[in-house]
Amino acid sequence: QVQLQESGPGLVEPSQTLSLTCTVSGGSINSGSYNWNWIRQSAEKGLEWIGRIYAAGSTGFNPSLKSRVTMSVDTSKNQFSLTLGSVIATDTAVYYCARGVHKYGPFDSWGQGTLVTVSS
Amino acid sequence: EIVLTQSPATLSLSPGERATLSCSASQSISDYLAWYQQKPGQAPRLLIYDASNRATGIPARFSGSGSGTDFTLTISSLEPEDFALYYCQQRSASLSFGGGTRVEI
Repeated sequence: QVQLQESGPGLVEPSQTLSLTCTVSGGSINSGSYNWNWIRQSAEKGLEWIGRIYAAGSTGFNPSLKSRVTMSVDTSKNQFSLTLGSVIATDTAVYYCARGVHKYGPFDSWGQGTLVTVSS
Repeated sequence: EIVLTQSPATLSLSPGERATLSCSASQSISDYLAWYQQKPGQAPRLLIYDASNRATGIPARFSGSGSGTDFTLTISSLEPEDFALYYCQQRSASLSFGGGTRVEI
């Protein structure tokens, strides 16, 4: 079964850029019609979808974050990545990568999550 | 944006009892609703998709029902490992998650 693992810095300074990578194992990121997502969770906002990317590179983003988000995919490494610019304290959250079955979910495989704290 | 409201916020039950969790949508979402279970320190796990279909490996004690705006997740007989947080998620118009229901002992 497919497994996902997030990696990246756990601390980011305000106004800087948050960058995370998700490595997919146990299956190809190219297989099927799945999409690859970033979702975050905080006590203040609960679960919040950030965006998705397909293996071919097409993307979709949460309108509330769209201006600050980019996503990319590297099929040769079976990875996809997230960058979130101009971070502020409220971007502090546990960030999950997840596999999506349809355009807007459901999400049938998740990474374990990584805590990213925005602080100086 | 479609808002999902989950009730109750907390459900206090004992092992062996039946749990009934509700999720109400601010407008009709057909059957485009999923349920997830989350335990402390873990990622959410997909339980139910498209309102009533169990995901792979999910025990039969979990069932989902509903369509339109009102949905229910039922756990027929609570096992010790079922005490957790439960979230609903819609995919009818963009996507959104509910605020969660905690099932506690």
